[in-house]
Amino acid sequence: AQTVTQSQPEMSVQEAETVTLSCTYDTSESNYYLFWYKQPPSRQMILVIRQEAYKQQNATENRFSVNFQKAAKSFSLKISDSQLGDTAMYFCALEDSNYQLIWGAGTKLIIKP
Amino acid sequence: NAGVTQTPKFQVLKTGQSMTLQCAQDMNHEYMSWYRQDPGMGLRLIHYSVGAGITDQGEVPNGYNVSRSTTEDFPLRLLSAAPSQTSVYFCASSLIPGEQYFGPGTRLTVT
Repeated sequence: AQTVTQSQPEMSVQEAETVTLSCTYDTSESNYYLFWYKQPPSRQMILVIRQEAYKQQNATENRFSVNFQKAAKSFSLKISDSQLGDTAMYFCALEDSNYQLIWGAGTKLIIKP
Repeated sequence: NAGVTQTPKFQVLKTGQSMTLQCAQDMNHEYMSWYRQDPGMGLRLIHYSVGAGITDQGEVPNGYNVSRSTTEDFPLRLLSAAPSQTSVYFCASSLIPGEQYFGPGTRLTVT
């Protein structure tokens, strides 16, 4: 069975600091996608960043970057220069070959002013 | 291009009542799915469809029915609502792997 694990239920950092959220996963598939989604209090699911498993280069989107370690099945999210608007729940998810998403339990991130 | 729309945004049901959550997309996506999100948990797949006329069960299908008569619409039916179905429901659609678009969610409370 495929699983996604987020071991940090909650994190908090000061504004402008860098924070890293952890995610590990397990899958037997050779090609898959990994995602980080942000869910603010509005509960809308917002795609933050996406990584294709066959690409060795780590994905980057502005202040957001990932550290993808395929052999270790690790997919962490780094947020640089954190902003108050980054406060939200963050979910790690794995998409299998059937388009199905398997989700972690989420990390609540609080950015303090 | 409205993306993925869901109605209603909020709903309160009494135990035993039935209702349909609506989901529509205007992007001509073949793949559509329904998830539920319970407090403190990630999303769990209820049902999904890979095209009109084709549906299949996900991780937590009991108590829910779906149908896919058109590419655009994928309604989720609660047959006899139970308090355990109190949750936030998300609909998603996709054309290609790695690109899933989510609706705004429906918050359902069953008393």
